[in-house]
Amino acid sequence: GQQLNQSPQSMFIQEGEDVSMNCTSSSIFNTWLWYKQDPGEGPVLLIALYKAGELTSNGRLTAQFGITRKDSFLNISASIPSDVGIYFCAGQLSTNRDDKIIFGKGTRLHILP
Amino acid sequence: NAGVTQTPKFQVLKTGQSMTLQCAQDMNHEYMSWYRQDPGMGLRLIHYSVGAGITDQGEVPNGYNVSRSTTEDFPLRLLSAAPSQTSVYFCASSYFSGFGYTFGSGTRLTVV
Repeated sequence: GQQLNQSPQSMFIQEGEDVSMNCTSSSIFNTWLWYKQDPGEGPVLLIALYKAGELTSNGRLTAQFGITRKDSFLNISASIPSDVGIYFCAGQLSTNRDDKIIFGKGTRLHILP
Repeated sequence: NAGVTQTPKFQVLKTGQSMTLQCAQDMNHEYMSWYRQDPGMGLRLIHYSVGAGITDQGEVPNGYNVSRSTTEDFPLRLLSAAPSQTSVYFCASSYFSGFGYTFGSGTRLTVV
């Protein structure tokens, strides 16, 4: 079945540093999504990407849909304490037979004081 | 606008008991899904629905049933609870395919 490999699994950074994480797949996707999950809450959508090569920003967050349609990355610039949480990538290939959204295992971001 | 509402927030079951996790959305979304989240495993799809009366299996459907009689509700039934079903369960909905899901705040289930 479809699998997403998300890396790194966890990151420890200093406040103010930039962050980069990525997601790769053995399958082609039509849509890439990036979510953030705070403790005790459900994931919240950060960025949605719909076209190969697309680069989209949401404040200090920037995500790109890979040209091969098998990968995506998320960058966070100038990290702040509220960026702490788990970041998930998700991919979707919408066909007449399959409309599932598959999630990666997440990148846990820690910010050192 | 409540979004996606899940009840209960916490539940403890004994092995063999059955129960239904409730999920309701008030956004008129066609697409709804159930995921379970376990440490180190990310979010795994249990069942999903692309509209009232239509459901399909995800990655880990065994031990769970769903039905979608209305657009608003998508309950998840545990037929005979097992300790392996201890997890956090999330319901999610979307207006259309590929739009990105809105998640509920989760149900934390423990099976003893």
